[in-house]
Amino acid sequence: DAGITQSPRHKVTETGTPVTLRCHQTENHRYMYWYRQDPGHGLRLIHYSYGVKDTDKGEVSDGYSVSRSKTEDFLLTLESATSSQTSVYFCAISDGRGAQGEKLFFGSGTQLSVL
Amino acid sequence: GQQLNQSPQSMFIQEGEDVSMNCTSSSIFNTWLWYKQDPGEGPVLLIALYKAGELTSNGRLTAQFGITRKDSFLNISASIPSDVGIYFCAGQGGATNKLIFGTGTLLAVQP
Repeated sequence: DAGITQSPRHKVTETGTPVTLRCHQTENHRYMYWYRQDPGHGLRLIHYSYGVKDTDKGEVSDGYSVSRSKTEDFLLTLESATSSQTSVYFCAISDGRGAQGEKLFFGSGTQLSVL
Repeated sequence: GQQLNQSPQSMFIQEGEDVSMNCTSSSIFNTWLWYKQDPGEGPVLLIALYKAGELTSNGRLTAQFGITRKDSFLNISASIPSDVGIYFCAGQGGATNKLIFGTGTLLAVQP
């Protein structure tokens, strides 16, 4: 298994509170991603990073921010959590060899409930 | 945005049966990937396809990159209980060259 650790694994919070999810990798991969998984929608990209301090938006980035101060860590922050952000969040990494496609390796996920 | 239509949404089969599922897109893709997600875990890559018409196997799993480059197929032969999970297709290419995931096929196998 790829060395990806997500924390926490489960989180319950209240509407309006800030929440930060952490992804830590030991593979030294350049690319890191945050996805959310919801029934009927599959996996949707929130934000991704292509290097330290280099990040970009995905298809569902509203209400989320990210930071990457070190190669191994990628943080996802919900500034003011809403019930619509209740979801399972997955971190993924890749070495970004474009000619071979983006083979992503996923963490075990964080179940977030916003009450 | 780009969408992948994955079917069927769910399958309930008996152990030993063969399984087929597919993904279709309105866009041409350069890469197709198939992932499996076990309950409570993240998706794990099963098979990667890079050429139109390519047929690749991984044990009892066989996947094909459609000739039109707009579809892909996954077959599982002689299913066993541990095949239970959600299977996702993912395609890369099109206007954005981003990886797009299908909505998943839930597979249940009855012993």
